[in-house]
Amino acid sequence: DAGITQSPRHKVTETGTPVTLRCHQTENHRYMYWYRQDPGHGLRLIHYSYGVKDTDKGEVSDGYSVSRSKTEDFLLTLESATSSQTSVYFCAISEVRGSYNEQFFGPGTRLTVL
Amino acid sequence: AQSVTQLGSHVSVSEGALVLLRCNYSSSVPPYLFWYVQYPNQGLQLLLKYTTGATLVKGINGFEAEFKKSETSFHLTKPSAHMSDAAEYFCAVSDARGAQKLVFGQGTRLTINP
Repeated sequence: DAGITQSPRHKVTETGTPVTLRCHQTENHRYMYWYRQDPGHGLRLIHYSYGVKDTDKGEVSDGYSVSRSKTEDFLLTLESATSSQTSVYFCAISEVRGSYNEQFFGPGTRLTVL
Repeated sequence: AQSVTQLGSHVSVSEGALVLLRCNYSSSVPPYLFWYVQYPNQGLQLLLKYTTGATLVKGINGFEAEFKKSETSFHLTKPSAHMSDAAEYFCAVSDARGAQKLVFGQGTRLTINP
């Protein structure tokens, strides 16, 4: 158990409203990631962080922003939610295992945008 | 850029039969390769990984995979399927640098018939 929690676990919102998803870790891992999972697409990286206030874009970053003001928290914000952002969102951390970093995933947040 | 293709979005086998899930990757640098499993309504769990060294890697629950550089493949196998193997399986690739961001295939749903 890599000590990753996500909140909320489920959310239904309306188009045009802002939404913030929270990822919390308890073990001071440097790298944190946000992915979205959609049928037929697997998981796709939205944004990632390599330290406090250090973030970068992933493959599908349009419409999303992130913030990391503390090591333990990585926030994903949808400034104005759209129906295309209906998805399951997974947070992950990576733990150094010698030459590679093993990623551990949180339980996911199911977001529905009506 | 890296990419992963999983051949077959759905695979169905009988209990006790061989499981073969196919994964081909594209990478301009030596890859790290992973197989993850996702049970219904859960996050992803690492099954096995290839980083360096032995090309035949063994993972949890009796699964194994072989890295074949000449074929750019990393197929997942299990000699005898069990009902508890029913899940979705994802192949992923990363490089060895920095955040080691994962690029996932689209996933293969494995069904086990009694």
